[in-house]
Amino acid sequence: DQQVKQNSPSLSVQEGRISILNCDYTNSMFDYFLWYKKYPAEGPTFLISISSIKDKNEDGRFTVFLNKSAKHLSLHIVPSQPGDSAVYFCAASDPRLNTDKLIFGTGTRLQVFP
Amino acid sequence: NAGVMQNPRHLVRRRGQEARLRCSPMKGHSHVYWYRQLPEEGLKFMVYLQKENIIDESGMPKERFSAEFPKEGPSILRIQQVVRGDSAAYFCASSPPVRGLYGYTFGSGTRLTVV
Repeated sequence: DQQVKQNSPSLSVQEGRISILNCDYTNSMFDYFLWYKKYPAEGPTFLISISSIKDKNEDGRFTVFLNKSAKHLSLHIVPSQPGDSAVYFCAASDPRLNTDKLIFGTGTRLQVFP
Repeated sequence: NAGVMQNPRHLVRRRGQEARLRCSPMKGHSHVYWYRQLPEEGLKFMVYLQKENIIDESGMPKERFSAEFPKEGPSILRIQQVVRGDSAAYFCASSPPVRGLYGYTFGSGTRLTVV
């Protein structure tokens, strides 16, 4: 049962343009969403998060949008840079579980080309 | 301030052997999580531990896998009698008691190869 889905396994964007990475979820009880970035042979690093009481959170070039009615969130990177090339995972937290585990999507590989 | 330290980075085991993966959380972090990433898949939760306690092991396979986080020393993920399907990247993460808005801090992972 994949509660967090990233349906695009890969995305290719030209440097300077906007990258939009999408994530869908099925569990309406998720209260907290995060994006992680992962380079090869490294662990994931936290990028940005959003609480379910908000619909937008911005940090520099990165903005996360949350559409609760559609159970959809997206990560916008603008302008995209070659160093942004990595795998991006979205993750969600369910407060009912009384545990702090995060449920991850399968990831989207972003390639930013010159 | 060192991050989450995992060792070894790479581990090769023959089928039937035991694998021991170690994780030292960040200083001040008392919560440890283990995740597994199979080839071409996302990160799958395995277990959540606090010092001397297993809080949530709902993602652990029923057999051959165990985890501990003793009062002193690193957290250990132990896989007995490894099989080829155990080949994966195993990531440890840690967080303070109140995780807040910043998620976990992950280590660089241990890549287990079973031959």
